[in-house]
Amino acid sequence: QKEVEQDPGPLSVPEGAIVSLNCTYSNSAFQYFMWYRQYSRKGPELLMYTYSSGNKEDGRFTAQVDKSSKYISLFIRDSQPSDSATYLCAMSATDSNYQLIWGAGTKLIIKP
Amino acid sequence: DAGVTQSPTHLIKTRGQQVTLRCSPKSGHDTVSWYQQALGQGPQFIFQYYEEEERQRGNFPDRFSGHQFPNYSSELNVNALLLGDSALYLCASRFRGGGETQYFGPGTRLLVL
Repeated sequence: QKEVEQDPGPLSVPEGAIVSLNCTYSNSAFQYFMWYRQYSRKGPELLMYTYSSGNKEDGRFTAQVDKSSKYISLFIRDSQPSDSATYLCAMSATDSNYQLIWGAGTKLIIKP
Repeated sequence: DAGVTQSPTHLIKTRGQQVTLRCSPKSGHDTVSWYQQALGQGPQFIFQYYEEEERQRGNFPDRFSGHQFPNYSSELNVNALLLGDSALYLCASRFRGGGETQYFGPGTRLLVL
């Protein structure tokens, strides 16, 4: 079993819809949670960064962390075709010297 | 302000050859990590450098080695290339005193034939 599980998709939704992306994990030591967006043949771009549990909002993006369930989510409101990309979750433990453990990524397609 | 830069963008090698990939970190960053990303997978951590030393290493064989220079730029070397080494190689930089956030370069796509 992988430490971080993420549905590879693809997830296809119409423009303007609310998108929900999720990851589950098994290591209770994880404290830092990140969401990255990766366009085809490009490097990952940091979208959201959350420490421990709770919610964080930035524009159309909201990240949620539920450490009791070992479950994190990324919500995208008013989705746009330019949001079409692969979304990767990543996380690390406090004593890992910043080594990230990644999900495999979910491919998101926003249809105009 | 230039972000993380990597060179070359694409590379084709044959089995058994050696390759060197290069990374320049974002201005002000002193820590560089290297990742291997196979198609359809998340990145896998190779190693991390700061103060010109390898500080952390993932589950990669000794064929993978690196170096960090005094200006914080870094190289990844892979010897005796295998077909399975074909992947996107990503460099990420951060400021060691600035928390967990890393910034990634566009990657070098390596194809081993």
